[in-house]
Amino acid sequence: TQLLEQSPQFLSIQEGENLTVYCNSSSVFSSLQWYRQEPGEGPVLLVTVVTGGEVKKLKRLTFQFGDARKDSSLHITAAQPGDTGLYLCAGKDKVIFGPGTSLSVIP
Amino acid sequence: NAGVTQTPKFQVLKTGQSMTLQCAQDMNHNSMYWYRQDPGMGLRLIYYSASEGTTDKGEVPNGYNVSRLNKREFSLRLESAAPSQTSVYFCASSLADTQVLGNTEAFFGQGTRLTVV
Repeated sequence: TQLLEQSPQFLSIQEGENLTVYCNSSSVFSSLQWYRQEPGEGPVLLVTVVTGGEVKKLKRLTFQFGDARKDSSLHITAAQPGDTGLYLCAGKDKVIFGPGTSLSVIP
Repeated sequence: NAGVTQTPKFQVLKTGQSMTLQCAQDMNHNSMYWYRQDPGMGLRLIYYSASEGTTDKGEVPNGYNVSRLNKREFSLRLESAAPSQTSVYFCASSLADTQVLGNTEAFFGQGTRLTVV
């Protein structure tokens, strides 16, 4: 059974700080997606990474797929209150979601 | 631009009652999904429909049934609700089957918060 772990589970930081959250598995994935979910809403896709070692940037967010395609990281530079939410990773072959990292950015 | 619409948004049921959660998408997507989200568990797939006329079990199908009524609509039924089914339920859709094509984007509804007492 494929499992995805995410760390940390909760993160509370001040506006302007940098942070990194992680998504890890013992399984190899053909691709991996990151979603952000705001309170009371459904998840919204941020990015899909496909190639081992791939780095994608979305404004202040940087996503990296591990060389072995077993893990991924999301780095946020100069976090803003609008970044607050639950960040979910989803690994593909059979789609599975990690439990998420709940991020709170305090003004 | 509605996207994926779920009804109802909130529901309280007594143990043993039945109910149907409705989901409709207006993006002409082929595939639709039902997930449940519990604290610390992430999203778990209950059932999915890769295309109109087909349905398949996901990770946690016990206690649920689904109907793909047409291309737009995919409903989830709880025949005899149990407290363990207290959760937030999300419907999602995608142009292609995410179970097969991993890069396909899934679009989610706003969720139904269900409490079974």
